[in-house]
Amino acid sequence: GESVGLHLPTLSVQEGDNSIINCAYSNSASDYFIWYKQESGKGPQFIIDIRSNMDKRQGQRVTVLLNKTVKHLSLQIAATQPGDSAVYFCAENKQGNQGGKLIFGQGTELSVKP
Amino acid sequence: KAGVTQTPRYLIKTRGQQVTLSCSPISGHRSVSWYQQTPGQGLQFLFEYFSETQRNKGNFPGRFSGRQFSNSRSEMNVSTLELGDSALYLCASSLRDPRSGNTIYFGEGSWLTVV
Repeated sequence: GESVGLHLPTLSVQEGDNSIINCAYSNSASDYFIWYKQESGKGPQFIIDIRSNMDKRQGQRVTVLLNKTVKHLSLQIAATQPGDSAVYFCAENKQGNQGGKLIFGQGTELSVKP
Repeated sequence: KAGVTQTPRYLIKTRGQQVTLSCSPISGHRSVSWYQQTPGQGLQFLFEYFSETQRNKGNFPGRFSGRQFSNSRSEMNVSTLELGDSALYLCASSLRDPRSGNTIYFGEGSWLTVV
């Protein structure tokens, strides 16, 4: 398969601190990137997206940064809360001749310590 | 507004059997895609449908198939089940066309266990 589902990176932060989750994407032709949050036993939940013509986009407590030069995407969560504990996935929209599909990163498990 | 609805949520099948999973997209969404999630391979794209036509297909064997109905509801079928098919199967929908960057929303998934 195209996603590498090996050892899941983990990030442990203290409640109230800022979190930064990083992702490297594979296809320089991708023009749309999304971050999802997945809690145990649930489906991925949309957090924020960004198009390739932007470098930064902000939401509520979250910021996504895109560096096309090095094909790197990051998600910043401000004032991290226990409810933010989950696995976070980045995804790129890979354009095909007949339509789009999402290519997912392996995910990062965020653990928030109270 | 209801989200993406998948049924059944949990099911257990025996090797060699077949299974059909159902997905109702968000109202008004015409694009439906399916993904398989396993601990070893992560989230992998299966196929995508738009207006009852398969737009794109992932690298899965022909045992995996799907279809979309005129009301945008979709089903996927896995025939001759193997132990390795045990996974969380996720359905996602978007308003128009994922190529235009419309937000893609996921359902809670169907947990399939093959014994």
